[in-house]
Amino acid sequence: GNSVTQMEGPVTLSEEAFLTINCTYTATGYPSLFWYVQYPGEGLQLLLKATKADDKGSNKGFEATYRKETTSFHLEKGSVQVSDSAVYFCALLGSGSRLTFGEGTQLTVNP
Amino acid sequence: NAGVTQTPKFQVLKTGQSMTLQCAQDMNHEYMSWYRQDPGMGLRLIHYSVGAGITDQGEVPNGYNVSRSTTEDFPLRLLSAAPSQTSVYFCASTNSGGKTGNTIYFGEGSWLTVV
Repeated sequence: GNSVTQMEGPVTLSEEAFLTINCTYTATGYPSLFWYVQYPGEGLQLLLKATKADDKGSNKGFEATYRKETTSFHLEKGSVQVSDSAVYFCALLGSGSRLTFGEGTQLTVNP
Repeated sequence: NAGVTQTPKFQVLKTGQSMTLQCAQDMNHEYMSWYRQDPGMGLRLIHYSVGAGITDQGEVPNGYNVSRSTTEDFPLRLLSAAPSQTSVYFCASTNSGGKTGNTIYFGEGSWLTVV
């Protein structure tokens, strides 16, 4: 079956530091890949997505590139802010609209 | 522009009680699903539906029932609540059949505590 493995957290950074959260996946066929963000006490918000190999998703300064050769979709941001503190989920959309999630990575950004 | 609407947002139940979490979407999406979120475990699929009248089990279906009598609504029923069902529940919908280019939309979540 499909699976998503995410970098374990928690991750603590200082403001303006570079962020990478690793995500690798196992899937059959050609899944779509997503990053969702969850702020404290809130639901999940789509951060970015990529639907085919070599696609780069980007939003709010975050980027992730769909790498089929390494089955990865790592999330990056060049300069994080305190407001980026949240839990980040990598997810894969396979057949039948079933999303498979990673375990989530808690990010805390200190001023 | 409602999207996916979940109710209630917060609920406390006693062990053995039953209740229904409501989920409605106004995007005419075919596919709807329920997930539960537990610390350190990400989101796990409980049940899903590929259209009105069709439902199927996900990863963790025990203790839950669903039905899909209309395209818009996909309620999740807890038959006899147990403390292990304390969790955050998310409803989601999409017009995807697994095709690329589509996105799953989530409700805001329902925080359920079973005491």
